[in-house]
Amino acid sequence: QPQLQESGPALVKPSETLSLTCTVSGDSISTSRRYWGWIRQSPGKGLEWIGSVYSTGNSFHNPSLKSRLSFSVDTSKNLFSLSLTSVTAADTAVYYCARHARPLTTVSELDFWGPGTPVTVSS
Amino acid sequence: VLTQSPGNLSLSPGDTVNLSCRTSQSVSSNYVAWYQQKHGQAPRLVISGASTRAAGIPERFSGSGSGTDFTLTISRLEPDDVAVYYCHQYGNSPYTFGPGTKLDFK
Repeated sequence: QPQLQESGPALVKPSETLSLTCTVSGDSISTSRRYWGWIRQSPGKGLEWIGSVYSTGNSFHNPSLKSRLSFSVDTSKNLFSLSLTSVTAADTAVYYCARHARPLTTVSELDFWGPGTPVTVSS
Repeated sequence: VLTQSPGNLSLSPGDTVNLSCRTSQSVSSNYVAWYQQKHGQAPRLVISGASTRAAGIPERFSGSGSGTDFTLTISRLEPDDVAVYYCHQYGNSPYTFGPGTKLDFK
């Protein structure tokens, strides 16, 4: 059974870059043939899909964030990462990583989630 | 856009409840999932493909619907069912979630 764990700073200043990492155990990013996603949850906007990435680096983004967003994958460490630039208070949320259940597609439910990491954007 | 109703429910153990999720446009191939989120926890997959129970989910949970109208039915409510339930459409990008229905007991 896969386990996912988010890590990163709890506090980020406005205009800076938010970087988060999701470390996966119990499954292999490089061989699972699945996409791995990021979702965030804030009181104002509820649950929001941020984007998803494959082991090759191929990714899909929410258009509302695309210009500020990038993903990376480190298969040697079995982790994937999110980078969100020019953050504002609107980016304050709990950030989750999750696995898409079906191979080779993001058109898929999310079957395993990390516990989430809270991020506050404030000076 | 996904809308869920009702926003809040206060029920009794043993009750049966129907949670509604409506989408602003038809969801291809019924690519709708339901998640259960307990306080302080991550969402947990309950139903995928509108009607397929996820692993480990009791038979008391069932999903139905097609097109733009979907329902999660929970039978014989138990105290452990207290949570917020979210629908999620993953057929049309960007994938979106409903605002949730909060279920608790009287």
